[in-house]
Amino acid sequence: ETGVTQSPTHLIKTRGQQVTLRCSSQSGHNTVSWYQQALGQGPQFIFQYYREEENGRGNFPPRFSGLQFPNYSSELNVNALELDDSALYLCASSPPPGQGRSETQYFGPGTRLLVL
Amino acid sequence: GDSVTQMEGPVTLSEEAFLTINCTYTATGYPSLFWYVQYPGEGLQLLLKATKADDKGSNKGFEATYRKETTSFHLEKGSVQVSDSAVYFCALGLLKAAGNKLTFGGGTRVLVKP
Repeated sequence: ETGVTQSPTHLIKTRGQQVTLRCSSQSGHNTVSWYQQALGQGPQFIFQYYREEENGRGNFPPRFSGLQFPNYSSELNVNALELDDSALYLCASSPPPGQGRSETQYFGPGTRLLVL
Repeated sequence: GDSVTQMEGPVTLSEEAFLTINCTYTATGYPSLFWYVQYPGEGLQLLLKATKADDKGSNKGFEATYRKETTSFHLEKGSVQVSDSAVYFCALGLLKAAGNKLTFGGGTRVLVKP
């Protein structure tokens, strides 16, 4: 069984540019969540996709957007990059909702983005 | 709002010492609770979880008990190894209309010395 994969592993961009990060979910998982982890901090929830629709969003501006595809893979797009966007971006997948409880999320290795 | 508070690190221990990392939470509703571990340069790995009050999660010698009365989920291990050196994150998960998101604490760095 393949786990969650992300690409690329590292990325360097300059301020004002746009970036697209990719994530493939674990087999059988139809929900994908994205998190931003700044250096030395815990991950912060960006948004979640379920059945190709955004299903919740954290406190991030609209220049953070995403997509989910029919095979449940996902993209995170960030426009007009700022220096503070430098972080580790984590994707997590989880199985279909069960008995009204929060399902376990399984994380990929992350994409480290540096904005200069 | 929902939040998780965990003890600040770094926590430095000798091999075979007892490890405790405190975690308390605030949540509107009945969360599931998780401990994740992050090794240098890697993503998060699920260590253990508990989905309701008084449940005990355990894995690889680590344990944590969901205490609703004290809103806590402290992580313990009886005898640590050098390979346990990592950053540990406590998290709560709530299924809401706005989705199923995890709220994380700030992380506790643990360093185990031989």
